[in-house]
Amino acid sequence: DSGVTQTPKHLITATGQRVTLRCSPRSGDLSVYWYQQSLDQGLQFLIQYYNGEERAKGNILERFSAQQFPDLHSELNLSSLELGDSALYFCASSVGGGSYTFGSGTRLTVV
Amino acid sequence: GQQLNQSPQSMFIQEGEDVSMNCTSSSIFNTWLWYKQDPGEGPVLLIALYKAGELTSNGRLTAQFGITRKDSFLNISASIPSDVGIYFCAGPNTGTASKLTFGTGTRLQVTL
Repeated sequence: DSGVTQTPKHLITATGQRVTLRCSPRSGDLSVYWYQQSLDQGLQFLIQYYNGEERAKGNILERFSAQQFPDLHSELNLSSLELGDSALYFCASSVGGGSYTFGSGTRLTVV
Repeated sequence: GQQLNQSPQSMFIQEGEDVSMNCTSSSIFNTWLWYKQDPGEGPVLLIALYKAGELTSNGRLTAQFGITRKDSFLNISASIPSDVGIYFCAGPNTGTASKLTFGTGTRLQVTL
């Protein structure tokens, strides 16, 4: 157990729907990062939050949004889902910078 | 933006063999990290390097921070079946020091 908790582990939904992925960072970590990993692909950075505020943004689609709550957990919202959004979505946390601790991911399948 | 290219893209080796892989960048990094991702799991940090020329070991794994700061190498000695997975290098972006850029990954398969 890495200390970073992601729920749900698996999600199957239809095109056009909206889903919310949840992440609880490791205790004491203030930064949360979201990454997308498509089949056999690398890790694509989506967005970072630090202590409740957006800190950095990657190639995140306008249909996607995220937030970090006062208790530091984070949610990634994916809307108007398309088949190409099927992927593993990882959350990672860190104290501030440096190395990350990853969760075990949410596997999203859009049908 | 910064890119990290890893080679080889994939490797098929026999149990007991040594493995070498590398990661190169078009720009300088001040930190190099190596992660391993098991199938269906999140990446796990293997080794962190913080100084040019640094050589660090973690069991059968050894990583080096290239002196040009634009590359890093990971070696695995006497591979075993549980070494199977994808190995990623990573480094913090300039300007946004806490955001990591990940390499393209090296997929390792070990046959008995």
